[in-house]
Amino acid sequence: DQQVKQNSPSLSVQEGRISILNCDYTNSMFDYFLWYKKYPAEGPTFLISISSIKDKNEDGRFTVFLNKSAKHLSLHIVPSQPGDSAVYFCAASATGANSKLTFGKGITLSVRP
Amino acid sequence: DGGITQSPKYLFRKEGQNVTLSCEQNLNHDAMYWYRQDPGQGLRLIYYSQIVNDFQKGDIAEGYSVSREKKESFPLTVTSAQKNPTAFYLCASSTQESFYEQYFGPGTRLTVT
Repeated sequence: DQQVKQNSPSLSVQEGRISILNCDYTNSMFDYFLWYKKYPAEGPTFLISISSIKDKNEDGRFTVFLNKSAKHLSLHIVPSQPGDSAVYFCAASATGANSKLTFGKGITLSVRP
Repeated sequence: DGGITQSPKYLFRKEGQNVTLSCEQNLNHDAMYWYRQDPGQGLRLIYYSQIVNDFQKGDIAEGYSVSREKKESFPLTVTSAQKNPTAFYLCASSTQESFYEQYFGPGTRLTVT
């Protein structure tokens, strides 16, 4: 039973346009959400996070939005750059979860020059 | 230059053999983790350790074993009991306070034939 779902396996956008990556979750105990970025044959790197007490967190070109009632979060990248082409994993954690993160399957983003 | 090292990058073994994957970190992190990634799948937690000489099973611990004798090291043994050992293995570490921001190594691709 997948608790973190990234239903679209891939996304292709034009350079300079907005990329919107979506993530849904089912566990209402999750209270902290993160996005990780992964290049081929490398380990993921932390990108941005958001606590459940907020509905938006922004860091440069990256913004994460959280809709708790819909159990949905999204990552916006504006403007998209070719170097953003990677796999993006959504992850979630619950307080008291003993340091465990639950990851989605990932979305492959391709930014076309 | 702090970080996490995993060696080797590629590993080949015959079925029925145990194999140990190395993970070392010099970030002074208390917590360490082992994940497995399969094609089209997210990261699944195998084992994690929040402190030296202590570790817990993750979601898919069967067929694996770990030890945490030193803060810097968290080796993973893939035993012959693991039914589908061929995968990409990722090690990560974090502070206990910010366990959600995990730092990943470059990974080891294990192929068992």
